[in-house]
Amino acid sequence: AQKITQTQPGMFVQEKEAVTLDCTYDTSDPSYGLFWYKQPSSGEMIFLIYQGSYDQQNATEGRYSLNFQKARKSANLVISASQLGDSAMYFCAMRERNTGNQFYFGTGTSLTVIP
Amino acid sequence: DAGVIQSPRHEVTEMGQEVTLRCKPISGHDYLFWYRQTMMRGLELLIYFNNNVPIDDSGMPEDRFSAKMPNASFSTLKIQPSEPRDSAVYFCASSPRRTTYGYTFGSGTRLTVV
Repeated sequence: AQKITQTQPGMFVQEKEAVTLDCTYDTSDPSYGLFWYKQPSSGEMIFLIYQGSYDQQNATEGRYSLNFQKARKSANLVISASQLGDSAMYFCAMRERNTGNQFYFGTGTSLTVIP
Repeated sequence: DAGVIQSPRHEVTEMGQEVTLRCKPISGHDYLFWYRQTMMRGLELLIYFNNNVPIDDSGMPEDRFSAKMPNASFSTLKIQPSEPRDSAVYFCASSPRRTTYGYTFGSGTRLTVV
């Protein structure tokens, strides 16, 4: 079974609108972390936001927020007020405590912001 | 902190040649990971080290690939002999021990084997 599933290969959003990128995960470890990374066309991987499995509140970092629904095992990324510079690939990832701290990555979602 | 440093940024080599990719992790990070990224397969974990010891190399494609971490501040990924299907972006990443920390990625090495 896939550890991380991103079902949206590509998404489009109008500039200044909000967009939600979906991510579901699979784990039986009670202790884990969920992460989102951005990869612009230049290729570098940029850390955006983190959510811990025991965190009670959804994580927020500026225009990024993580909609964490633990029972549904989903960790969707919400980008508010989209900007042209948000056009990139976005990867969801998980790190479990019981698997030696290995990261599991999803296949990514390509986001295009339309002016 | 300079971050994770990879070299070279770009490498073009002929099939059959030996290729060595280098990585300097962030000081104090216990874990070092090598990933390969292609359009077809996405991000693939090749190998990772904990305190300089290889923990899981099940992602290394075949015997042509080898990785070493002789000390806490340096790692290499070697391909010998290289083949066109090895063309990809190779990322090195490092991380502290705790699950609350994400990876810090290097800028990657874009390898082209012709």
